[in-house]
Amino acid sequence: DVKVTQSSRYLVKRTGEKVFLECVQDMDHENMFWYRQDPGLGLRLIYFSYDVKMKEKGDIPEGYSVSREKKERFSLILESASTNQTSMYLCASSSNPGVEKLFFGSGTQLSVL
Amino acid sequence: ELKVEQNPLFLSMQEGKNYTIYCNYSTTSDRLYWYRQDPGKSLESLFVLLSNGAVKQEGRLMASLDTKARLSTLHITAAVHDLSATYFCAVDPDPFQGAQKLVFGQGTRLTINP
Repeated sequence: DVKVTQSSRYLVKRTGEKVFLECVQDMDHENMFWYRQDPGLGLRLIYFSYDVKMKEKGDIPEGYSVSREKKERFSLILESASTNQTSMYLCASSSNPGVEKLFFGSGTQLSVL
Repeated sequence: ELKVEQNPLFLSMQEGKNYTIYCNYSTTSDRLYWYRQDPGKSLESLFVLLSNGAVKQEGRLMASLDTKARLSTLHITAAVHDLSATYFCAVDPDPFQGAQKLVFGQGTRLTINP
């Protein structure tokens, strides 16, 4: 079975801190994604990557950056955390071609105080 | 900009009843996904619908896609408590551009009462 592992289930950070969320997948997938999930809004795409060192902005990239140095690992970075970034963050991966379903990690609930 | 809307957002039903969740989207696409999320858990893929008229069934759940109407439905037959979850539909606005940049609906929280 595909496994997408997010490093932390819960995180509490202070405003202004730099925050790293890590995601690792074990199925050699080309594509990796970061979504945030907020009640009533569904999931919104922050960034995605279709290859090592390649990244593209999603629908809500402001305040975030990403890094993909190895195929299996995709990191989401909050350069200076703010309270409006309190959310559930979900990582996902998929293989090509682009018809395949996404496999999601279990999520990181981030609270910024 | 693609918008994906689900209704209802909340649904409380009794075991044994049938019901349908609707997913409307605003721009042309023939690639639609349904996911399930249990409380505190991640999303699990249910169905991938890839063409107009596509119908897929798994147990008590059946999903269909009408690309002309820009509508997908998730039909629940003879509901059982185990189907209580939040259901999301998602649309790929650019299915020929590689990675699947899905746009999700708000989710439908389904509660099935004994």
